[in-house]
Amino acid sequence: DTGVSQDPRHKITKRGQNVTFRCDPISEHNRLYWYRQTLGQGPEFLTYFQNEAQLEKSRLLSDRFSAERPKGSFSTLEIQRTEQGDSAMYLCASSPWDRVGVLAKNIQYFGAGTRLSVL
Amino acid sequence: SQQGEEDPQALSIQEGENATMNCSYKTSINNLQWYRQNSGRGLVHLILIRSNEREKHSGRLRVTLDTSKKSSSLLITASRAADTASYFCATDNTDKLIFGTGTRLQVFP
Repeated sequence: DTGVSQDPRHKITKRGQNVTFRCDPISEHNRLYWYRQTLGQGPEFLTYFQNEAQLEKSRLLSDRFSAERPKGSFSTLEIQRTEQGDSAMYLCASSPWDRVGVLAKNIQYFGAGTRLSVL
Repeated sequence: SQQGEEDPQALSIQEGENATMNCSYKTSINNLQWYRQNSGRGLVHLILIRSNEREKHSGRLRVTLDTSKKSSSLLITASRAADTASYFCATDNTDKLIFGTGTRLQVFP
């Protein structure tokens, strides 16, 4: 396994169009995360899954955004009716999420990202 | 939303010098992690320090954590041109990571 892969690497779309991104995590990792990163900023959390269950969604994730992980393996992130403000790098990460005692250890492995440009 | 700030925003040094970056955060944490990001790429985990630890080393990296001041620092010793990247701290207090704004490090040969 070569790590987390994201497809496509780049996406250019017109405002109002729908786009879908795919993330394939490291195969044995039970957790999958989506982040958004704009230029000069750190990644901002969007949502995460444990296996196929979506456990948390950020307030950043408006109704136009939907994410799925149907079989607990790959995940898709769809943005409907794209806006120029959606232009960003969308990062996916996976984690084996290990808890030892009361302290969880959440080291995440990131893909290279999908860069979205909305014209 | 971002957890906190990193300082400095940008740092330029010569190869062989040490680089120190600081991170401040706002809420209580279980762990704090540091990640590196090369231009236009994904992030790579560097080191994790637990809330009950004060200092940790990994190769040329040294991380300190002061939970009373809600701050952490990352020291890279004997820097190399290949260390040129952005460095982010990330707090881990529930099940997700909250990243800082990052420090852009440039190491000149």
